[in-house]
Amino acid sequence: DTEVTQTPKHLVMGMTNKKSLKCEQHMGHRAMYWYKQKAKKPPELMFVYSYEKLSINESVPSRFSPECPNSSLLNLHLHALQPEDSALYLCASSQVGRPEQYFGPGTRLTVT
Amino acid sequence: ILNVEQSPQSLHVQEGDSTNFTCSFPSSNFYALHWYRWETAKSPEALFVMTLNGDEKKKGRISATLNTKEGYSYLYIKGSQPEDSATYLCALTQGGSEKLVFGKGTKLTVNP
Repeated sequence: DTEVTQTPKHLVMGMTNKKSLKCEQHMGHRAMYWYKQKAKKPPELMFVYSYEKLSINESVPSRFSPECPNSSLLNLHLHALQPEDSALYLCASSQVGRPEQYFGPGTRLTVT
Repeated sequence: ILNVEQSPQSLHVQEGDSTNFTCSFPSSNFYALHWYRWETAKSPEALFVMTLNGDEKKKGRISATLNTKEGYSYLYIKGSQPEDSATYLCALTQGGSEKLVFGKGTKLTVNP
């Protein structure tokens, strides 16, 4: 299984809602990543988890809260988002110490 | 700020044409250069990861070269087909970092 899956594919939420994005992989990868991509811009790294511990936080606002409950799952909890947070959120995974990252198809988030 | 530049931004070619795009990056502290192929609503698909100066990699009609001393990589597509239509992203990993820094991509459209 060489697939990274993400749910939901699309999400519309209001600024007072709480929602979560989910990412799953069964490749035995112990590094997992969240990226954000806004229209006409490249994907930008948000968070990295290595062996289920947060290793990089790219100064992301606290309204985004990542969680890695086990080696296969990565969540992104969303609370009190702003319309400018509307974007495509991509998850990726890799073997720790290896450069190749495998991406999911993303969740298209719209904040109203 | 780490800048990865891709050119051209977009490209329209006829079926059967060969084409190439450029990725340029800072050569200091280089670790790996990645090429991804990204179709709308799908996961970015890893094409190549290159780490050594002078690396050349090939996958079917697609090939890539790397010059780490001058900080550029070329992606070539021979005999373009309509199914090659996608955005081609390059991304840089620097030494000691798990972070991928992406260029803005080259959007290729192959007309039948």
